[in-house]
Amino acid sequence: KAGVTQTPRYLIKTRGQQVTLSCSPISGHRSVSWYQQTPGQGLQFLFEYFSETQRNKGNFPGRFSGRQFSNSRSEMNVSTLELGDSALYLCASREVAGTTYNEQFFGPGTRLTVL
Amino acid sequence: DQQVKQNSPSLSVQEGRISILNCDYTNSMFDYFLWYKKYPAEGPTFLISISSIKDKNEDGRFTVFLNKSAKHLSLHIVPSQPGDSAVYFCAASEWNDMRFGAGTRLTVKP
Repeated sequence: KAGVTQTPRYLIKTRGQQVTLSCSPISGHRSVSWYQQTPGQGLQFLFEYFSETQRNKGNFPGRFSGRQFSNSRSEMNVSTLELGDSALYLCASREVAGTTYNEQFFGPGTRLTVL
Repeated sequence: DQQVKQNSPSLSVQEGRISILNCDYTNSMFDYFLWYKKYPAEGPTFLISISSIKDKNEDGRFTVFLNKSAKHLSLHIVPSQPGDSAVYFCAASEWNDMRFGAGTRLTVKP
């Protein structure tokens, strides 16, 4: 099986712009979660989608949004970018929501730089 | 709020010796704990986990210890190998909520 893929791998934007990141889960996985990784903060949970519905949401402002399509692919959108949004954005998939997290698989991430 | 803390941002050990990575948590409702390993340019990969009903779980060179009263877990790697050099994230979950620590960069010197 192919792993979790994320596109693009690297992105440079300027403050005020908006960005859309894409994640394709492992085939058969219906749950997709998004995380932000910054130095010193580790991985911070953004949200999880399952069967096109947001199941869980972390403590991020409304500028961060996401959606999931019927094929389980997911997109994450950040509007009005700020310098502090520069981070590695990781997507992870698992077969169903509610299973133990050892079955969660991560993609390589999208490195977003905001100038 | 940092419910999961890894207070050592880095650790350096000699090949063949033991590596001990530590993690503390504050939420007593966490009932499942995991360690992930991350290499540069790759996503984290699951390493080992432990349920709150256990105090030890072993998988080859990797052992995770859980001390619930102290809200502390640790990952032991014995013997350490240069290929173990990576960032290690501790994570704790309660039902559908998982929190990660900030990570510890382990360097194993040949």
